[in-house]
Amino acid sequence: DTAVSQTPKYLVTQMGNDKSIKCEQNLGHDTMYWYKQDSKKFLKIMFSYNNKELIINETVPNRFSPKSPDKAHLNLHINSLELGDSAVYFCASSQGLLRSEAFFGQGTRLTVV
Amino acid sequence: ILNVEQSPQSLHVQEGDSTNFTCSFPSSNFYALHWYRWETAKSPEALFVMTLNGDEKKKGRISATLNTKEGYSYLYIKGSQPEDSATYLCAFPPTGGGGNKLTFGTGTQLKVEL
Repeated sequence: DTAVSQTPKYLVTQMGNDKSIKCEQNLGHDTMYWYKQDSKKFLKIMFSYNNKELIINETVPNRFSPKSPDKAHLNLHINSLELGDSAVYFCASSQGLLRSEAFFGQGTRLTVV
Repeated sequence: ILNVEQSPQSLHVQEGDSTNFTCSFPSSNFYALHWYRWETAKSPEALFVMTLNGDEKKKGRISATLNTKEGYSYLYIKGSQPEDSATYLCAFPPTGGGGNKLTFGTGTQLKVEL
């Protein structure tokens, strides 16, 4: 069973479109995250949710809106996609305040054309 | 040090060589230090989570040490194999862990050649 699963794995879309990436974890963790891998392959936190509540919004444009319907899901919706949004987006989850390891999804490669 | 710094940025070794990399982090309000292994086209996988000064952890040929007072951790790989080729990331939760996020270093890219 996949612990943290993201869909889709690849997403190619045109500028201006709205798209969503879904993430689900079956580990029973209480905290979920979205990370963005930038062009230099650096992992940067975007959002952190704990028990469905937004904890961290790391200066991400308003076009990005996370939604957590329950503890096991954290979806990322992006409005009015721009070329600069092209990146790999990783979902992750952990239990507690990060003294235990984070588990990552396989990543979603978003390409905006 | 305000954030996580890793060195070297990249490393090429021969099969069988032993190697080590460094992760430097802010020593104040230390909470935990994570090491991840990230293979190309895959997702990061946890190697170790270290919390105590002087901690030493081992998984097969890979081990890590932690010095929270001076703010560094070393990752060692003994007898490197081609399958060890990956980017090794360290990460820490800033502000005493209350930030609910991991700040990642830029990683050390290891290439093990036959």
